[in-house]
Amino acid sequence: EAGVTQFPSHSVIEKGQTVTLRCDPISGHDNLYWYRRVMGKEIKFLLHFVKESKQDESGMPNNRFLAERTGGTYSTLKVQPAELEDSGVYFCASSQLMTGSSGNTIYFGEGSWLTVV
Amino acid sequence: GDSVTQMEGPVTLSEEAFLTINCTYTATGYPSLFWYVQYPGEGLQLLLKATKADDKGSNKGFEATYRKETTSFHLEKGSVQVSDSAVYFCALKGNTGFQKLVFGTGTRLLVSP
Repeated sequence: EAGVTQFPSHSVIEKGQTVTLRCDPISGHDNLYWYRRVMGKEIKFLLHFVKESKQDESGMPNNRFLAERTGGTYSTLKVQPAELEDSGVYFCASSQLMTGSSGNTIYFGEGSWLTVV
Repeated sequence: GDSVTQMEGPVTLSEEAFLTINCTYTATGYPSLFWYVQYPGEGLQLLLKATKADDKGSNKGFEATYRKETTSFHLEKGSVQVSDSAVYFCALKGNTGFQKLVFGTGTRLLVSP
């Protein structure tokens, strides 16, 4: 069974440009999460989809970030325009829909490493 | 809000040494607790978890016990290997409704031969 896959694995862009990150969750996982780790800091939550709906987007830093999950399958995270402080690793994760069950495992992708220069 | 505090790294050990990485948490209710590991150049992998007080999670020789009285979930391994060199993240997730993982800052472990 394929895991969570993310594309691109690495991206270097100039300040002001646009980057779109893509995530394909594990098949059948309705929960999809985006997280980010800026250099040396903790991994921070960005947002959570349940199917195609945004359940929680409290972690999105500002309106330069736009996440979508059309049809409840794959998701994209667009940064436009990118700033230097957006550099970091963007992780996507997915899990089965089991509300109230804290033990269901969240599976992470390998991350998209973004460098803004 | 919920939070996780980990010991700062890097932790540098010789092969076969005993490892402890401290983790404490603040949360309402009774969260589930997790350790994730990120090996060089790879993504986050779940290492072990515990879903209730006094549970012990274990995997690959690593162990952690959910201590409600001290709000801790320290990671231990009796004899580390060079291949254990990685960044270890402690995390928690609440147990009501839709809950997200809350991570600590991560602890880098460096094991030398």
